[in-house]
Amino acid sequence: NAGVTQTPKFQVLKTGQSMTLQCAQDMNHNSMYWYRQDPGMGLRLIYYSASEGTTDKGEVPNGYNVSRLNKREFSLRLESAAPSQTSVYFCASRLFPGQGTYEQYFGPGTRLTVT
Amino acid sequence: DQQVKQNSPSLSVQEGRISILNCDYTNSMFDYFLWYKKYPAEGPTFLISISSIKDKNEDGRFTVFLNKSAKHLSLHIVPSQPGDSAVYFCAAREGGSYIPTFGRGTSLIVHP
Repeated sequence: NAGVTQTPKFQVLKTGQSMTLQCAQDMNHNSMYWYRQDPGMGLRLIYYSASEGTTDKGEVPNGYNVSRLNKREFSLRLESAAPSQTSVYFCASRLFPGQGTYEQYFGPGTRLTVT
Repeated sequence: DQQVKQNSPSLSVQEGRISILNCDYTNSMFDYFLWYKKYPAEGPTFLISISSIKDKNEDGRFTVFLNKSAKHLSLHIVPSQPGDSAVYFCAAREGGSYIPTFGRGTSLIVHP
């Protein structure tokens, strides 16, 4: 049981390049989330998927797109990377709203640098 | 406008003593609160939570207290250990919402 996995762990992009961050969970969770963490800013929600087939914007969605490929996988795409997107990105999952104790399970993160 | 505030960016404590991490919130619709712990180069991990119908929840060395009238919660770690050194995030959930709101974190350093 690997929990939440993210690839890649590290990435350096040039301004204007595109890339996709991959996330997968093997806990049969319904909801999945993408966050970014910047120094002094805590965790800010980019997009989330409450259940398979749905996606919604979070607090800071500009410059990003997401795909809920199936129940296990939720990818984050940067179409044209900007230096402001330099950050650490975390994927998280949660069982289902209304069940359990509402805690999220986080992946190990992707450290992205845009030059 | 931060709805969940952790006003102390850092806290330094001696091993064996109590660590108290504080969190204030402004949204009276929050009904569930969580604490996460994050080590460098790792993702956050869930630590402990409390429902708004309770004022205390305890799990081993960790206790969370909720004061609804003051819109304040605190995490107590007793006794503190060097392995507790990490960033601690407070989070709150509004009833019916899929999305928790996170504070900006407090970095705890426990000195041997």
